Amino acid sequence: AQTVTQSQPEMSVQEAETVTLSCTYDTSENNYYLFWYKQPPSRQMILVIRQEAYKQQNATENRFSVNFQKAAKSFSLKISDSQLGDTAMYFCAFMKWPYGGATNKLIFGTGTLLAVQP
Amino acid sequence: GAVVSQHPSRVICKSGTSVKIECRSLDFQATTMFWYRQFPKQSLMLMATSNEGSKATYEQGVEKDKFLINHASLTLSTLTVTSAHPEDSSFYICSASDLDPPAKNIQYFGAGTRLSVL
Repeated sequence: AQTVTQSQPEMSVQEAETVTLSCTYDTSENNYYLFWYKQPPSRQMILVIRQEAYKQQNATENRFSVNFQKAAKSFSLKISDSQLGDTAMYFCAFMKWPYGGATNKLIFGTGTLLAVQP
Repeated sequence: GAVVSQHPSRVICKSGTSVKIECRSLDFQATTMFWYRQFPKQSLMLMATSNEGSKATYEQGVEKDKFLINHASLTLSTLTVTSAHPEDSSFYICSASDLDPPAKNIQYFGAGTRLSVL
């Protein structure tokens, strides 16, 4: 069975600084997806970034980038130039590759609560 | 694009009554929708996977007779909490995945429904 571990329950960062959130996972699969979702106080889940395991290049989305280390089963999220609106709970998630075509379920970590301080 | 509408956003009901929550994909078709439950300051717990035109697949420990799921079309899934009791009070979230690439295998989330059973 797959598991996702986020070892940092809470983190804090000053506005405009850079912060890295950690995520490790366990799987015997070779192909899969990894995601970071954010959940702000509104509780709306928002996709931050997605990584396909077969891609060596790390995914980036504007100020958000990942450090994907497949052999180490590590998938950290770096937020650059932190903004007050980045304050949220961040969830790392794993999805098995959809070999049958249908989308598979997400397996979530326990989350990291990030507070951006002015 | 990729908007998932969930209704109602909040519902208060008396113990013993049934409550229906709707989840709609507004601008895409979704063969698969997912239903989650989230307790305060905790991660999302998958309840069931809903496939259009077939029976839902429930996670272990989830009572299928209490949480009825219907996925009648490619844009609508419903969750009915039958004979609700105070312990069913929680935050329920749905997600849907787009059929078409490159968005395929990304889950887009509704805004959630806060259920309070008195």
